[in-house]
Amino acid sequence: DTGVSQDPRHKITKRGQNVTFRCDPISEHNRLYWYRQTLGQGPEFLTYFQNEAQLEKSRLLSDRFSAERPKGSFSTLEIQRTEQGDSAMYLCASSLGLRDVLVSNEKLFFGSGTQLSVL
Amino acid sequence: TQLLEQSPQFLSIQEGENLTVYCNSSSVFSSLQWYRQEPGEGPVLLVTVVTGGEVKKLKRLTFQFGDARKDSSLHITAAQPGDTGLYLCAGGKREPGLTFGTGTRLTIIP
Repeated sequence: DTGVSQDPRHKITKRGQNVTFRCDPISEHNRLYWYRQTLGQGPEFLTYFQNEAQLEKSRLLSDRFSAERPKGSFSTLEIQRTEQGDSAMYLCASSLGLRDVLVSNEKLFFGSGTQLSVL
Repeated sequence: TQLLEQSPQFLSIQEGENLTVYCNSSSVFSSLQWYRQEPGEGPVLLVTVVTGGEVKKLKRLTFQFGDARKDSSLHITAAQPGDTGLYLCAGGKREPGLTFGTGTRLTIIP
């Protein structure tokens, strides 16, 4: 079990540039989540995938943000035209997604995150 | 807007002391989870409570879910330096995506 892997660990970019982050979930996990965490706050939910389908998106996710999970395995999160307010830790989490377990009761496994700094 | 408020926000105590962290909300949750997060890492799940009034113990940590499923507490007995970290509560509802609390940064002084 290699855990949830995120790449890169750190990203520094200039305002207006596009950035893309990658998440590799635990291999048998069919649910994948993206969260954003700013300094001194708890993570905020961004979006959720069940296999390759994106089933839920937060209102926090502006049009500049897009996420994909093309084959139901790894996922990418792209931010276009970055702004300084996008600076945060972007966390990916995965879960087994068993049919008889409520989503609210699932055990989430988080990656180490991608720390984004927009200058 | 954080729907889950944690208190205290910061806590620094001596090794061996006891402490309690609170997580409060005006919303009802289906479940309440507690995580611990180290600097530069993602949160790690400690416990999930799902029944109002439920109490779970994990070694020196005791977790309680409020009767009305709106609040929770984490009590640590005889704190150790290894307990240092950011403690996050997170509420779950029927839809995917947890609502995390504001966090309590705990420092245990040897």
